[in-house]
Amino acid sequence: SQKIEQNSEALNIQEGKTATLTCNYTNYSPAYLQWYRQDPGRGPVFLLLIRENEKEKRKERLKVTFDTTLKQSLFHITASQPADSATYLCASRGTGRRALTFGSGTRLQVQP
Amino acid sequence: DVKVTQSSRYLVKRTGEKVFLECVQDMDHENMFWYRQDPGLGLRLIYFSYDVKMKEKGDIPEGYSVSREKKERFSLILESASTNQTSMYLCASTLTPGGGTEAFFGQGTRLTVV
Repeated sequence: SQKIEQNSEALNIQEGKTATLTCNYTNYSPAYLQWYRQDPGRGPVFLLLIRENEKEKRKERLKVTFDTTLKQSLFHITASQPADSATYLCASRGTGRRALTFGSGTRLQVQP
Repeated sequence: DVKVTQSSRYLVKRTGEKVFLECVQDMDHENMFWYRQDPGLGLRLIYFSYDVKMKEKGDIPEGYSVSREKKERFSLILESASTNQTSMYLCASTLTPGGGTEAFFGQGTRLTVV
């Protein structure tokens, strides 16, 4: 079955370091991958979209990569700040589906 | 700047009640979705709609129904609420049905069934 998976363990890093979050997919080949931020008790907010023919996408301190060989997307936050603490979700549309499927999210905690 | 609005942030209902969750978007999107989110399980798709009066089941439709009478409004109905439907419910809309455009989410409704 098609799956999109993220490391469910929380990631704790020091302020100023680069946070790297992983999203893996299996048994399908998405044309796009999306990343969202979710704060406690709130709805997810869109951050970045990357297409299968794009290796890398940047937005300010955020960078996303898409490796179709490894079936993986990496999400980086450089110069991390405590305000970056949140849960980050990856999402894509599975083959034959009309709606986005989401990973379970990785909680990032940036320590001051 | 509010784009997707859910009618309630918090709801407490009794077992067996019929519950209505309302969602309105102001972006003229054709595609609207209802997800539920539970710890460790992520977002799971309940139902979605790609046009007025059109709907499709998602991954966990049992115990739910939906209504889309107007383009901007998508309602989730719990026919007879049960305690295992206690969850965070999230409504979303997109311009296109695929994964090529971003999803806009509402603020979520935390439903507790007692």
